[in-house]
Amino acid sequence: EADIYQTPRYLVIGTGKKITLECSQTMGHDKMYWYQQDPGMELHLIHYSYGVNSTEKGDLSSESTVSRIRTEHFPLTLESARPSHTSQYLCASSEYSGGANTEAFFGQGTRLTVV
Amino acid sequence: EDQVTQSPEALRLQEGESSSLNCSYTVSGLRGLFWYRQDPGKGPEFLFTLYSAGEEKEKERLKATLTKKESFLHITAPKPEDSATYLCALASGGYQKVTFGTGTKLQVIP
Repeated sequence: EADIYQTPRYLVIGTGKKITLECSQTMGHDKMYWYQQDPGMELHLIHYSYGVNSTEKGDLSSESTVSRIRTEHFPLTLESARPSHTSQYLCASSEYSGGANTEAFFGQGTRLTVV
Repeated sequence: EDQVTQSPEALRLQEGESSSLNCSYTVSGLRGLFWYRQDPGKGPEFLFTLYSAGEEKEKERLKATLTKKESFLHITAPKPEDSATYLCALASGGYQKVTFGTGTKLQVIP
């Protein structure tokens, strides 16, 4: 069983509020990711990190920001939530093996609703 | 641009009725093809990684195969607990970009 945790599982928040979605993993993985997934749709990569102090934007434009101060922690922040941010946010991690890709382990997700 | 297309979108099987899910892809420089299972409201759970054409992996009732253009997830004698959405994803490119398909929603009826 994967040791990657996301909190909160569900969040309903008002427009304009600042929110931080937490993600922690205990596997010592260097690579971490944030994906956004709407119901019945594919996962879209919004941020990733190769390790401490490394953050990159993914394929899907996002108004969120991330930080990677510790290997195990990769929080995602929205400075001002809007209804268009309503979605499921999935955090994942994987080993960084250089050339080959290794499988990603996913958290349970945070379902965010902005009203 | 890398593309992943999964078919069918949805599949309904009777318990014990074997079938296959398809993942067709176009990619420049395949670095891995992944199969995941996703239950409603949860994150994807890793099943298999395939790296080269001709490779096969098995786990219980599931078997994944890979050619240069597509991958199949074969389900033998499925049970109701196999009901889930099955996602295909491929990794490519210099920064190990991963592209996910939209998935096949499988329902196995007792």
